[in-house]
Amino acid sequence: KAGVTQTPRYLIKTRGQQVTLSCSPISGHRSVSWYQQTPGQGLQFLFEYFSETQRNKGNFPGRFSGRQFSNSRSEMNVSTLELGDSALYLCASSLGTARNQPQHFGDGTRLSIL
Amino acid sequence: DAKTTQPNSMESNEEEPVHLPCNHSTISGTDYIHWYRQLPSQGPEYVIHGLTSNVNNRMASLAIAEDRKSSTLILHRATLRDAAVYYCILDRGSTLGRLYFGRGTQLTVWP
Repeated sequence: KAGVTQTPRYLIKTRGQQVTLSCSPISGHRSVSWYQQTPGQGLQFLFEYFSETQRNKGNFPGRFSGRQFSNSRSEMNVSTLELGDSALYLCASSLGTARNQPQHFGDGTRLSIL
Repeated sequence: DAKTTQPNSMESNEEEPVHLPCNHSTISGTDYIHWYRQLPSQGPEYVIHGLTSNVNNRMASLAIAEDRKSSTLILHRATLRDAAVYYCILDRGSTLGRLYFGRGTQLTVWP
């Protein structure tokens, strides 16, 4: 069974640009969550989607946005990139949003801002 | 936030059991206790979860205190591949996200 796939694995951008990251969940999983991981702040929740609807959103500025498609694939977009956006962006999928359902993570997209 | 408290680091020798503690004194009755681990250069990996009763799976065991204010992840025989950061998390489905990752415990396994 294929795991969560995130593309690209590595990305280099400059300040002011925008970026789109992609996540393909495990087949049959309908919930997708995004996290940002940095050495200083650790793993922080960005947002969660279920059936193409955003269910929860973390404490990030509006420059961070996402969407989910009818096949459960998800994308997140960051506009007007800042140096502080350099991080590992992780996507996780689960069957649904119930609290007893584990999340399965991809290996992330490493975003570097120059 | 659904806060948990874990030691920053622990060490073990290979093939010995490891008991990783976690305190979650603010746990509510419907919060599930989840454990994840993260190996270098990889995303977090689900290990185990439970609500009230102790749980076992092929990776580990989870022992939950009777008052649910603490839990212990048990690796029965540590291997070098178990060296990772272990996160104890309460899944309470809050608007801040289902999983709140603290700093976790860095487990070092010595050969």
